[in-house]
Amino acid sequence: AQSVSQHNHHVILSEAASLELGCNYSYGGTVNLFWYVQYPGQHLQLLLKYFSGDPLVKGIKGFEAEFIKSKFSFNLRKPSVQWSDTAEYFCAVENRDDKIIFGKGTRLHILP
Amino acid sequence: DAEITQSPRHKITETGRQVTLACHQTWNHNNMFWYRQDLGHGLRLIHYSYGVQDTNKGEVSDGYSVSRSNTEDLPLTLESAASSQTSVYFCASSDSGREFNEQFFGPGTRLTVL
Repeated sequence: AQSVSQHNHHVILSEAASLELGCNYSYGGTVNLFWYVQYPGQHLQLLLKYFSGDPLVKGIKGFEAEFIKSKFSFNLRKPSVQWSDTAEYFCAVENRDDKIIFGKGTRLHILP
Repeated sequence: DAEITQSPRHKITETGRQVTLACHQTWNHNNMFWYRQDLGHGLRLIHYSYGVQDTNKGEVSDGYSVSRSNTEDLPLTLESAASSQTSVYFCASSDSGREFNEQFFGPGTRLTVL
C-alpha cells in the first residue's frame, strides 16, 4: 500500500538554524508531491509542490524541497528558520487517483 | 473569493448520537475529501468524492458516511458517535482533470464525543 514516512516527529531548533525535514514515500508510479504547513490553530496551507521538471522546488517563506526519484524522497529545507516557522509540517503524495496520502506530520518548534 | 467552509467549528456530543458535519466549497471543485487529524496519526482519509452521486471509502471509514447531492457540499455523518471519534475533522477539495491537484482545506471542526 502507498505510504508516506516523515522521519522526525518533533524537531526543536533555535532561530537562524538550518532546517531539513525528511520525507520518503512508497509508490512506484508517477506521483505529485506536496508539503503542507499547519500553523497553531489554523488549517492546512500548501507550502510547495512538485509536479515535474526541476527537482528543486521553491515554495513560500523561503522553503524549498528536493525531489530525489531514486531515493523516493522529498525533503523540505530552509537555510535559516524563524520563530514564526513554528508549525506542523506534512509531506503528502498524490497518485493518479487524485487521492493524497499524508505523512504523520513533523512538529517544528523554534526557540526565540 | 472562492473558499471552503466547515460548520460547526466546535461540537460536543454524547456517545450514540448522530452527528453531521457540514462542508461547503465555492471553488466548483469536483473532488472533495474528509480527513480526521489525530496526534501521532497525522491526517487520515475518511471518505472522498469525485463528483455528484459519487462517494468512496477512505482509510478510516467505519462509523462514518457521506453523501454528495451537489457539487458544493459533502456532509459527513457519524451514525452513532463514539468516543474514539473525538478528533479534528478537515474537509478539502481539489480540481480534477488537471495534471496535479492541490487540495484546499477548510478551517476544521473540533468534535468531542463524551
